[in-house]
Amino acid sequence: GQNIDQPTEMTATEGAIVQINCTYQTSGFNGLFWYQQHAGEAPTFLSYNVLDGLEEKGRFSSFLSRSKGYSYLLLKELQMKDSASYLCAVNDAAGGGADGLTFGKGTHLIIQP
Amino acid sequence: EAGVVQSPRYKIIEKKQPVAFWCNPISGHNTLYWYRQNLGQGPELLIRYENEEAVDDSQLPKDRFSAERLKGVDSTLKIQPAELGDSAVYLCASSEQWGAGYGYTFGSGTRLTVV
Repeated sequence: GQNIDQPTEMTATEGAIVQINCTYQTSGFNGLFWYQQHAGEAPTFLSYNVLDGLEEKGRFSSFLSRSKGYSYLLLKELQMKDSASYLCAVNDAAGGGADGLTFGKGTHLIIQP
Repeated sequence: EAGVVQSPRYKIIEKKQPVAFWCNPISGHNTLYWYRQNLGQGPELLIRYENEEAVDDSQLPKDRFSAERLKGVDSTLKIQPAELGDSAVYLCASSEQWGAGYGYTFGSGTRLTVV
């Protein structure tokens, strides 16, 4: 079956760096997404990795290791507005999963002053 | 450019009543998705449309849920009759094409409460 694991909750300090890990086991793989979701709002696209390595976009970076079934989202220079849930999602299009996009349960990130 | 528009934003109904949600995707996006998100969980796909064709509805509870996408643009998701367990946020998303690294654009969702 499809399985995506990420921590339920993390706490970090304003101005610091935090790394949110995601491990996955899917029958197919066609890329990994990270989304940010503020309470009561829609998920918004942050990053996409399909090849191994690091993708950097401003304060946010995302890393992928396909052989390990592992990804992380790195947030630098944390701001209070970064308090949100971060969703890891895998496109498992080759595995017959519905739509090819399976979401983890999300990591609730709390930023403290 | 307008994003994915959903309505209503909130809906409270009694169990056994019908309810409908509406979605208008981004112009030019051929692929449209309906997701359900329970509290503290990630979104789960209900149905995917390519233009007006439902190409993946394996996760849609067909005994009470139905959807349509007339003319390949707007879409409606219906529940009849609603049950207490249907309380969730119903998200619509669209993308230029399926399976590519473009990322989806989600609407703000409809928060359904069944009492």
